[in-house]
Amino acid sequence: DGGITQSPKYLFRKEGQNVTLSCEQNLNHDAMYWYRQDPGQGLRLIYYSQIVNDFQKGDIAEGYSVSREKKESFPLTVTSAQKNPTAFYLCASSPRDRGTTGELFFGEGSRLTVL
Amino acid sequence: QKEVEQNSGPLSVPEGAIASLNCTYSDRGSQSFFWYRQYSGKSPELIMFIYSNGDKEDGRFTAQLNKASQYVSLLIRDSQPSDSATYLCAPNQAGTALIFGKGTTLSVSS
Repeated sequence: DGGITQSPKYLFRKEGQNVTLSCEQNLNHDAMYWYRQDPGQGLRLIYYSQIVNDFQKGDIAEGYSVSREKKESFPLTVTSAQKNPTAFYLCASSPRDRGTTGELFFGEGSRLTVL
Repeated sequence: QKEVEQNSGPLSVPEGAIASLNCTYSDRGSQSFFWYRQYSGKSPELIMFIYSNGDKEDGRFTAQLNKASQYVSLLIRDSQPSDSATYLCAPNQAGTALIFGKGTTLSVSS
């Protein structure tokens, strides 16, 4: 079945540690996205990539890094520079219909807790 | 800065009533819109896409778009407890990524 796989589902980190969240899709979508969600809040855009080897910062990119070496993969690294990383992280992809974003297909999310 | 505004709620309605969710947006270039539903602790799922002025109906859901007023709404008829969730509005974007409103939390009581 086609879809988006995020791992791990739950992750605990000590302060000062970097962690990498995995996102893999087999939908053959060009574009991939990372969003962050805090309790009672909407989705805030961290980074997005419209094509391999290219990505753009979203509204809250500070303290995060990404790579897009393969079409299928868009990992997110939460660095120690991110001051408040405890959140629910959602990866998504889209086919980009006629120059617009198009429908987003979401993974199940990764919940990061900093101890 | 493109903005999407939604009343955060919670919006409480009794079972069987009509729930009305509203969304306003600042970008006059937005031509189409998505409504996503998100259950607590889960990822969002698409429930409606609207691109023309007027109404679009899908089962118990009706989306209404007024581009001149920069306003889009979602009506849920015969609300059920299973409709209790957060509803997110997002204008379709050209060349970038979806920017979501903060969402409206709906609670349907039986």
